[in-house]
Amino acid sequence: NAGVTQTPKFQVLKTGQSMTLQCAQDMNHNSMYWYRQDPGMGLRLIYYSASEGTTDKGEVPNGYNVSRLNKREFSLRLESAAPSQTSVYFCASSTGTSISGNTIYFGEGSWLTVV
Amino acid sequence: AQSVTQLDSHVSVSEGTPVLLRCNYSSSYSPSLFWYVQHPNKGLQLLLKYTSAATLVKGINGFEAEFKKSETSFHLTKPSAHMSDAAEYFCVVTDQGSGGYNKLIFGAGTRLAVHP
Repeated sequence: NAGVTQTPKFQVLKTGQSMTLQCAQDMNHNSMYWYRQDPGMGLRLIYYSASEGTTDKGEVPNGYNVSRLNKREFSLRLESAAPSQTSVYFCASSTGTSISGNTIYFGEGSWLTVV
Repeated sequence: AQSVTQLDSHVSVSEGTPVLLRCNYSSSYSPSLFWYVQHPNKGLQLLLKYTSAATLVKGINGFEAEFKKSETSFHLTKPSAHMSDAAEYFCVVTDQGSGGYNKLIFGAGTRLAVHP
């Protein structure tokens, strides 16, 4: 049971470099999400995709772009990395986006450091 | 808008003693509530969820939580702590984002330490 798989797990970037975080889920979920986790702040939503072919901004989208490549895959791109983007990034998925109690499943995280 | 407050940033217990992690929420409607656990350098694992069925919710690893609407609380408990319970715990409430999506509002987390 792979669930939600993210790559890479660890990455160090220089300021101004670009990179893409990859995410794939094998649970046939419609909705996928990218969160960042910072100390003392819980998780904050960057972008989400309610279904294949759609993407929308979350709470903290600035400096990021996303692509919902197909139903399984949802990537997060940093076009020009900044030290403020040093964080732990989590990809997640759920069966849908309604607030009827759909459970969200998380990947194991990607630790990104921007120097 | 929904919000969630975890009342303790750190909780320390001895192995074999009860665990209580406190969570209060604010909601303009009946929310869905979750507890997630995060072990060091790992992702978040769902412990349990409340979705307007029974107010006492049982989860994995012996944890349970009680939804108390009058107190707007959803505290997490376990009768007897185990060393493997040492982790960070997040209380989460759902909200409806502007696009109708299932927005999760996370508490700041409670770090549980378990001593021998």
